[in-house]
Amino acid sequence: AQSVTQLDSHVSVSEGTPVLLRCNYSSSYSPSLFWYVQHPNKGLQLLLKYTSAATLVKGINGFEAEFKKSETSFHLTKPSAHMSDAAEYFCVVNKGTSGTYKYIFGTGTRLKVLA
Amino acid sequence: NAGVTQTPKFQVLKTGQSMTLQCAQDMNHEYMSWYRQDPGMGLRLIHYSVGAGITDQGEVPNGYNVSRSTTEDFPLRLLSAAPSQTSVYFCASSNTIPDPTSMNTEAFFGQGTRLTVV
Repeated sequence: AQSVTQLDSHVSVSEGTPVLLRCNYSSSYSPSLFWYVQHPNKGLQLLLKYTSAATLVKGINGFEAEFKKSETSFHLTKPSAHMSDAAEYFCVVNKGTSGTYKYIFGTGTRLKVLA
Repeated sequence: NAGVTQTPKFQVLKTGQSMTLQCAQDMNHEYMSWYRQDPGMGLRLIHYSVGAGITDQGEVPNGYNVSRSTTEDFPLRLLSAAPSQTSVYFCASSNTIPDPTSMNTEAFFGQGTRLTVV
C-alpha cells in the first residue's frame, strides 16, 4: 500500500513566486516525515524533517513544511522561488513494524523555475 | 567528512555479467540500505541491513544479493545483469533504524551509481 503520495509529478513556477509541493501520507500513527531534494545528476540532500517537535518545520534554502495530522499532509513551501531550486523533490516517510522498518519514498515532484 | 561513498559512479555491463556496487560509510551507522531509482517510480528499496551480519529484503530484491560483514561496508551484487536492472542505485545509511516512533532518525545518501545493462 502506498504510504506517501506526491500529488504533482511536475510543478512550474516563475522565479520570485511561491512554491508549493504537495505530499500526503498514510500511517496509523504520527510518522517521521522528510523532504529530500535531488539536483540533476546529484545525490539526495535532506531539506527538512518532521519529528513531532513542531508542526512547522524550517529547512535549508528557505524551504519549510507544515505537518497537518487532520489532513495527513506535509506540504513543502517556499515564499520565493530561485532558479537554483529547479530539481526533483521527494517526500519520504519511515514506517514499518518491528523488524521491517524502512523509508518509503514518494514518486517525486520535478520543480521547474521559469525566468 | 566523507559520509556515504559509492563506487563506481557510472558502469556499463553486458547482459549476464556480474558486478558489485560498493557502499561505505564512516558515520558508524547501523542501518544501511540500497535503493534503485527509476523514472516516475521514486526510490524503491532493494535490500537493507540493521547491523553487521544482518540483512533483509526490501521491495525489489530479485536479482540482487547483499552482505554486511562490517558496519562500514554494504556491497550490492548483481549476479547476472539484465537490461531491467538499468537504473540509478543509491546507498543510504541512517543513525537509527527508521522506526516510526524514533524522532531522531535521518538517512544520508551516496551520490548514486548510474548502471546501464546492454
